[in-house]
Amino acid sequence: AQRVTQPEKLLSVFKGAPVELKCNYSYSGSPELFWYVQYSRQRLQLLLRHISRESIKGFTADLNKGETSFHLKKPFAQEEDSAMYYCALDTGTASKLTFGTGTRLQVTL
Amino acid sequence: GAVVSQHPSWVICKSGTSVKIECRSLDFQATTMFWYRQFPKQSLMLMATSNEGSKATYEQGVEKDKFLINHASLTLSTLTVTSAHPEDSSFYICSALQREGSSYNEQFFGPGTRLTVL
Repeated sequence: AQRVTQPEKLLSVFKGAPVELKCNYSYSGSPELFWYVQYSRQRLQLLLRHISRESIKGFTADLNKGETSFHLKKPFAQEEDSAMYYCALDTGTASKLTFGTGTRLQVTL
Repeated sequence: GAVVSQHPSWVICKSGTSVKIECRSLDFQATTMFWYRQFPKQSLMLMATSNEGSKATYEQGVEKDKFLINHASLTLSTLTVTSAHPEDSSFYICSALQREGSSYNEQFFGPGTRLTVL
């Protein structure tokens, strides 16, 4: 069965510091990976997906099939980046998503 | 982006009663919707896939007679928690799948419904 692991429950960084939110997955097929973000008191929303190779709000994520990872990175953290981040995996079966446990990013001054 | 609403946003009920939660896609049609459950400080766990005009598909361990899902139209899916008990207290979140032709289908999430069973 597929699995998504986010090892850090909380990541606290200073404003302007680089950010890396870790995500590892286990799936034998070709996965589609996503990062979702949930700001305080807001609903879950898609941040980015690996197939589009895009950068959203300065965040990027590269799928590394060898390491089965999809870490989320940003070179310079901003206060408004403080949120809960979820990594998710779609195995292609009816677009169902498997979510990781989430990492809370806290950006402080 | 597309908008998904849920109603009610929170509900308190007595043990043994049933509660219905609605999920609506406001500006697009969704043949597929998903229902998730989220416990405090935990991740979203998929409960079931709701398909318009057909029976829902439940994930392993989710009681279909306990959590009744109806997807009667292309914009509405309902989740009914039957004979609710305190252990059913949770945050229930729905999502609607917007199909974009040949590109990836994106899920848009509702704001969630907090259910408290006394």
